[in-house]
Amino acid sequence: DSGVTQTPKHLITATGQRVTLRCSPRSGDLSVYWYQQSLDQGLQFLIQYYNGEERAKGNILERFSAQQFPDLHSELNLSSLELGDSALYFCASSVGQASSYEQYFGPGTRLTVT
Amino acid sequence: AQKVTQAQTEISVVEKEDVTLDCVYETRDTTYYLFWYKQPPSGELVFLIRRNSFDEQNEISGRYSWNFQKSTSSFNFTITASQVVDSAVYFCALSPRGDDKIIFGKGTRLHILP
Repeated sequence: DSGVTQTPKHLITATGQRVTLRCSPRSGDLSVYWYQQSLDQGLQFLIQYYNGEERAKGNILERFSAQQFPDLHSELNLSSLELGDSALYFCASSVGQASSYEQYFGPGTRLTVT
Repeated sequence: AQKVTQAQTEISVVEKEDVTLDCVYETRDTTYYLFWYKQPPSGELVFLIRRNSFDEQNEISGRYSWNFQKSTSSFNFTITASQVVDSAVYFCALSPRGDDKIIFGKGTRLHILP
């Protein structure tokens, strides 16, 4: 158990809808990262927050947004969902702000868009 | 360009055999970090090792060992006396200094056959 929690574990929704994925980092970690894992794209970095502020952005679509709250939990919002958004979404946390720190991953949220 | 290549998509070996997973990276940065992560069938990614570009010493941890060679831009991972529990997808990743994105390879799926 990495200490990173993600909810929900599974999510099934229809195209055009909006969903929110939630992540709680390990105790003491200030950075939260979001990743998307799909069969065709592999593991793609989406966005990083450090202590409440956006720190780095990867291949995140404009339909997606995230935030990190004062208690350090983070939410990833996915809107106007398309079939291609079906994937496993991981959250990871690390103690520092640089991506050179090792990251600890949550169990993931499997999103199915129908 | 910054890139991680894991040319072996899938490998199958019989239990107790040794197996090496290849990782080749590209970066122009002189300071960078390399990682290996394991994703077992349960889905959660598990951190295995981090190396920085200034430390070319090979590392051994039990049955796992890593060979870092800057001359060939490779960071290979060897499992000695493989066990069925080693069956997983293994990802190599690169974190270039000054760029807070982390780039993952496509992963190598390892099957250890009893």
